[in-house]
Amino acid sequence: GQNIDQPTEMTATEGAIVQINCTYQTSGFNGLFWYQQHAGEAPTFLSYNVLDGLEEKGRFSSFLSRSKGYSYLLLKELQMKDSASYLCAALDSNYQLIWGAGTKLIIKP
Amino acid sequence: GAVVSQHPSRVICKSGTSVKIECRSLDFQATTMFWYRQFPKQSLMLMATSNEGSKATYEQGVEKDKFLINHASLTLSTLTVTSAHPEDSSFYICSARELSGNYGYTFGSGTRLTVV
Repeated sequence: GQNIDQPTEMTATEGAIVQINCTYQTSGFNGLFWYQQHAGEAPTFLSYNVLDGLEEKGRFSSFLSRSKGYSYLLLKELQMKDSASYLCAALDSNYQLIWGAGTKLIIKP
Repeated sequence: GAVVSQHPSRVICKSGTSVKIECRSLDFQATTMFWYRQFPKQSLMLMATSNEGSKATYEQGVEKDKFLINHASLTLSTLTVTSAHPEDSSFYICSARELSGNYGYTFGSGTRLTVV
């Protein structure tokens, strides 16, 4: 079956760095997305990786290892506004998005 | 960038009535629209996939006669919750696939449905 695993909840301190991990098992693979979702709002796109390696975009970076079925989202210089759920989603061979349950990130002052 | 406009953002309806939710792609043609439902503190659950000009494909366990999807044009898809009940109260979100290089998915802003 197809499956996405990510931690349910993480806590970090303002100004620090946090890494949110995601492992996936899909029928075929056409890339991995990270989305941010604040409570009561729709998800917003953060990153897309289809090749191995690290993609850096400002304070946020995303890493992919296709051979390991593994990705992580790295958030630097955490701000209180980064408190949100972070959703990992893999694109399978039919270009269908398989969603993880999301990681709730709590930022403390 | 690609924008998907979703209306209404919030709706309260009486049990037994029907509610229509609209999603429009504003600056691109959306041949495929995805409709999701999200309960509090849970992830997105795909309800159905609609393709312009053809019948929607519903996920297992989703009643197609209750959740009517129409995708009559390349820029508009609608979801109608018929004979709504309190258990249908949820956050409904549409998403469209823009056929650019990364098969980007753009989400509407979501509709909070409360059935009383």
